[in-house]
Amino acid sequence: RKEVEQDPGPFNVPEGATVAFNCTYSNSASQSFFWYRQDCRKEPKLLMSVYSSGNEDGRFTAQLNRASQYISLLIRDSKLSDSATYLCVVNLGSSNTGKLIFGQGTTLQVKP
Amino acid sequence: NAGVTQTPKFRVLKTGQSMTLLCAQDMNHEYMYWYRQDPGMGLRLIHYSVGEGTTAKGEVPDGYNVSRLKKQNFLLGLESAAPSQTSVYFCASSTLAGITGELFFGEGSRLTVL
Repeated sequence: RKEVEQDPGPFNVPEGATVAFNCTYSNSASQSFFWYRQDCRKEPKLLMSVYSSGNEDGRFTAQLNRASQYISLLIRDSKLSDSATYLCVVNLGSSNTGKLIFGQGTTLQVKP
Repeated sequence: NAGVTQTPKFRVLKTGQSMTLLCAQDMNHEYMYWYRQDPGMGLRLIHYSVGEGTTAKGEVPDGYNVSRLKKQNFLLGLESAAPSQTSVYFCASSTLAGITGELFFGEGSRLTVL
């Protein structure tokens, strides 16, 4: 089993739609969780951290479920510019190991 | 605003050749990383460093060596390139890796091994 797993998609949605991605992780000792965004042929960039209580940044909401070992990303009112690959990232173990593990990514295509 | 710079950005090698990828960061970050990205596999950690003079193995270290002689530079070497090492290589750096989770990536180096 992969340490971090995502549905690769692609998710094809119309503008204005709400879309949700899930990510599961295998190591119950994982300490911190993040979502990154990667545009085609570009480098990944941090989208948002995921906190235990859930957190929101504009149209983006991230949730963490430690009991079921998954995190989610919800995008409301999708824009064309949201088209990208969304990477789930987990820090395995203690906070200073330096080992952030990336999921394979979920591709989102927002259509006009 | 250089951030993380990788050189070269593109390279074609023949099987058995050697090469070095250079990563330089100007943000005074302690942590540096080398990842490779392949279709359907996501980003996989090759090696990383938590400070000058230190290196550690990641998920897929075989066939690669690294060095961190200066804090700002992290070199990735391929001693004898194989077609399986055809990939996009990303270097990244960060401050406290686990706490903030923000890695700053270079633009990537596309390597093809024939």
